[in-house]
Amino acid sequence: EIVLTQSPATLSLSPGERATLSCRASQSVSSYLAWYQQKPGQAPRLLIYDASNRATGIPARFSGSGSGTDFTLTISSLEPEDFAIYYCQQRSNWLSFGGGTKVEIK
Amino acid sequence: EVQLVESGGDLVQPGGSLRLSCSASGFIFTHYSMHWVRQAPGKRLEYVSGISTNGDSTYYADSVKGRFTISRDNSKNTLDLQMTSLRPEDSALFYCVKDGRITSWGQGTLVTVSS
Repeated sequence: EIVLTQSPATLSLSPGERATLSCRASQSVSSYLAWYQQKPGQAPRLLIYDASNRATGIPARFSGSGSGTDFTLTISSLEPEDFAIYYCQQRSNWLSFGGGTKVEIK
Repeated sequence: EVQLVESGGDLVQPGGSLRLSCSASGFIFTHYSMHWVRQAPGKRLEYVSGISTNGDSTYYADSVKGRFTISRDNSKNTLDLQMTSLRPEDSALFYCVKDGRITSWGQGTLVTVSS
């Protein structure tokens, strides 16, 4: 089983600030990593697939980078609707998810 | 448009059984592995089970191994999860997920295990 570790658990920022979220895999997942956003009462929303590709309709302020074991999701300038929980997920060996990073308003 | 519609969630007593189903449309079902992911209230996403395109390969999380069985019917575009010996800690919203570079998720079906 591939374990994904996300950090930090909570990120307290203000609108307009830059958010940098990390996801580390216990073994290489190549580029088979996705990022999701989840808001209360909603299903996860795919933001980034294959490490750096934005899903359809995702604003350009969201970007993903990394390969192998270390990945980053960057939100260049936080909008009010971006405050949510973010999960990473690998599909290199079945699936697994990170524990999530909550981006909250400071 | 991809659509995944889960059903079968219910309130069940500890030790009971339940069968979840997912009806898929809008894509070629036989081309994709399929998965079940659950989320307990206020908790993280947890990968439960997966099945390959023709059903010959399956995965189960340790927490459900021996109790849950995943299956698919490629003639009906459906994915099932048979759950037995249910425990209170199995209570969660269960999502059906389509595999691939672009995943798709259903809206989930709620399972509550309580006496």
